[in-house]
Amino acid sequence: GEDVEQSLFLSVREGDSSVINCTYTDSSSTYLYWYKQEPGAGLQLLTYIFSNMDMKQDQRLTVLLNKKDKHLSLRIADTQTGDSAIYFCADRVNDYKLSFGAGTTVTVRA
Amino acid sequence: DGGITQSPKYLFRKEGQNVTLSCEQNLNHDAMYWYRQDPGQGLRLIYYSQIVNDFQKGDIAEGYSVSREKKESFPLTVTSAQKNPTAFYLCASSMGGGGATEAFFGQGTRLTVV
Repeated sequence: GEDVEQSLFLSVREGDSSVINCTYTDSSSTYLYWYKQEPGAGLQLLTYIFSNMDMKQDQRLTVLLNKKDKHLSLRIADTQTGDSAIYFCADRVNDYKLSFGAGTTVTVRA
Repeated sequence: DGGITQSPKYLFRKEGQNVTLSCEQNLNHDAMYWYRQDPGQGLRLIYYSQIVNDFQKGDIAEGYSVSREKKESFPLTVTSAQKNPTAFYLCASSMGGGGATEAFFGQGTRLTVV
């Protein structure tokens, strides 16, 4: 299967860490991605992880992959108001297809 | 500036009319894609093209058509056969397929049927 699931909403206080979770079903996934969408805009690639990695860190972003449980998470450290957006988890199904989750709307409150 | 441009940003269509959404890229990318986004749902693939003069159906191609006559351009026509066309449409492009190939997205076109 190609299903990707994520919770729909997350509210976080400014300065705290945000953790967005995602599960996928395709056991042959090679790459998993996190995209960010600001209101009324297209998607911007934040980061990706290859399936043979457990963790990837890029500045304030940390991606954790548990391949056994098919669970992916994105942690944003020191969350800022500019981090308010929809975050999509995506799984590379084949060379030309990405399967996207429904997106998690992150709201940062003061 | 290199990028991918969709036009128009907002589009209104009467029921029964066909409408064409424009997508142009100057990134010299071979592959181009059309996605549909509905509230509370992920992006769903409508059509994709790996190379000029070639395209394949995605998961929800019914009621849509595309062409790829030029590398830079991949227009999407929403036909009157599409039962529920009101949505946000996103075009994307990439160098090719596979690996960690990044897909670059346009800013989207919001289509409303009135």
